[in-house]
Amino acid sequence: AQSVTQPDIHITVSEGASLELRCNYSYGATPYLFWYVQSPGQGLQLLLKYFSGDTLVQGIKGFEAEFKRSQSSFNLRKPSVHWSDAAEYFCAASGSNDYKLSFGAGTTVTVRA
Amino acid sequence: NAGVTQTPKFQVLKTGQSMTLQCAQDMNHEYMSWYRQDPGMGLRLIHYSVGAGITDQGEVPNGYNVSRSTTEDFPLRLLSAAPSQTSVYFCASSWNRPYNSPLHFGNGTRLTVT
Repeated sequence: AQSVTQPDIHITVSEGASLELRCNYSYGATPYLFWYVQSPGQGLQLLLKYFSGDTLVQGIKGFEAEFKRSQSSFNLRKPSVHWSDAAEYFCAASGSNDYKLSFGAGTTVTVRA
Repeated sequence: NAGVTQTPKFQVLKTGQSMTLQCAQDMNHEYMSWYRQDPGMGLRLIHYSVGAGITDQGEVPNGYNVSRSTTEDFPLRLLSAAPSQTSVYFCASSWNRPYNSPLHFGNGTRLTVT
């Protein structure tokens, strides 16, 4: 079955520190991969996506993600976190014939001063 | 542009009541969808539409109906509300299949069924 797993439910990080959020997928073929962010009380916003090619993709707000086929992973990183990065982050995947995204359960990021 | 607009923002229903969650988009997107968000479960697809007059079921369609009479609107109907339908509901749209174009989300409707 196709699935997306985010192993970390909640991460707390200090402002200015680096952040890495984990995402693993289980799909028959390499899916299209996405990271979305949800600020409190808001809908989701696309941070970045991976379709093919370069395995390191850059997104908005200073985020990047690395696709590793051998590990079936698509981890999200940011070198220096800002207080405004406190939010819930969702990894998602889709096949080329799909009309839906499969979302992980989400990781909540808390930023402490 | 308003993007994706959902109404109402909050709703409390009693078991057995019916209601319609409204969703409208002004981006001329062909694809529209409804997700529900529950703690620890991420977002799950309820129904989707690839154009006016065309709808299909997602992962968790039971208890919900949809229709798509115009490109702009995609209402979600709860026929007989149950406590298990307590959730946050998101409408999302995109110009093409979601793998090929980013989903634009509304701000959600928080529904409580007592």
